[in-house]
Amino acid sequence: EAGVVQSPRYKIIEKKQPVAFWCNPISGHNTLYWYLQNLGQGPELLIRYENEEAVDDSQLPKDRFSAERLKGVDSTLKIQPAELGDSAVYLCASSFEGYEQFFGPGTRLTVL
Amino acid sequence: TQLLEQSPQFLSIQEGENLTVYCNSSSVFSSLQWYRQEPGEGPVLLVTVVTGGEVKKLKRLTFQFGDARKDSSLHITAAQTGDTGLYLCAGAEGGGADGLTFGKGTHLIIQP
Repeated sequence: EAGVVQSPRYKIIEKKQPVAFWCNPISGHNTLYWYLQNLGQGPELLIRYENEEAVDDSQLPKDRFSAERLKGVDSTLKIQPAELGDSAVYLCASSFEGYEQFFGPGTRLTVL
Repeated sequence: TQLLEQSPQFLSIQEGENLTVYCNSSSVFSSLQWYRQEPGEGPVLLVTVVTGGEVKKLKRLTFQFGDARKDSSLHITAAQTGDTGLYLCAGAEGGGADGLTFGKGTHLIIQP
């Protein structure tokens, strides 16, 4: 069974530029999560989807961050414009009915 | 917001020694998960504990959930160099598909 797929694995951009991350969850998993992980820290939840509905986006900085999961399968997380403090690893995870979450390898973003 | 405190933050021991990592909170969690993360990769789920007082074993790793479901421990017997990594505990506040609250992790280095 294929795991959670994320792309790109690495991204380097200049500040004020836009950036997008893509995630394809494990087949059949209805719940999808985006987490942010700063260096030396544990992941922090940004947004959770149940199928195509964002059911928890309370920690998503909505002034510059947006996300979508149009068909309830893969998802895109966007930052526009990026700031220096956005440099981090962005992790996607999925679960079936929420019992156990499985993570992708993450996208490491560097903002210069 | 529920917080998870992990200790120690860093641990370096010799191969063959035993160790215990702790995860503590003042709040009750419906379930608690332990993950292991290697550099450049996403967290990999090791175990989920749900019942207060529960003990689960995974080869040389023993996981325990506190009776009050506020704390957990991970004990490794006869550590091997392959056990090196970042160990994260994560708690779910409610049932179902809630996002996880992660601790900051324990950086474990097993020296040959």
